[in-house]
Amino acid sequence: GAVVSQHPSRVICKSGTSVKIECRSLDFQATTMFWYRQFPKQSLMLMATSNEGSKATYEQGVEKDKFLINHASLTLSTLTVTSAHPEDSSFYICSAREGGGRGSPLHFGNGTRLTVT
Amino acid sequence: GENVEQHPSTLSVQEGDSAVIKCTYSDSASNYFPWYKQELGKRPQLIIDIRSNVGEKKDQRIAVTLNKTAKHFSLHITETQPEDSAVYFCAAIKTSGSRLTFGEGTQLTVNP
Repeated sequence: GAVVSQHPSRVICKSGTSVKIECRSLDFQATTMFWYRQFPKQSLMLMATSNEGSKATYEQGVEKDKFLINHASLTLSTLTVTSAHPEDSSFYICSAREGGGRGSPLHFGNGTRLTVT
Repeated sequence: GENVEQHPSTLSVQEGDSAVIKCTYSDSASNYFPWYKQELGKRPQLIIDIRSNVGEKKDQRIAVTLNKTAKHFSLHITETQPEDSAVYFCAAIKTSGSRLTFGEGTQLTVNP
């Protein structure tokens, strides 16, 4: 089945530093990838839609200058949390749609547990 | 936009019993409804999905029903096992759009 790989799985950083998270589709091309954030015991909240070769589409309330998204190829999207603060600590999960069709299953990466100290 | 409500937020059953989780959606144009299972600290895993041209779908112990008129869909797990314990999320999307909207999740606990 379709596999989405996400790295790193866990990162601890100091306040003010930047962290880059990678999301790769391993056996299919993904023109669109999605970035979610999940706080403990809460649902997945869509942060932004990453579009290959164009600018990402951010959800309302998500700072595009803080959460930089780059989708430079059909198999790789990156999320960079800039100047991270403790309130950015969360579980970040990427996903990609197999087959590209909007009714196709959505597959998730393993997630990245970010802790900002 | 789409709004998905999920109930209950927690559900505890005895091993072997059935579990039912219900979701409602607001956008009548939504036509694809996946269900995800998420174990603690892990990624959501697609367990079953249903499209709006089908009223029911079954895969072994898991079934999903859809009532388009009432705009609600349900997940049914029969003969529950302790390994079914996890958080389950419903979701809805219209295939003309791209934004998958998740329910708030249901923490299912199956007691041995």
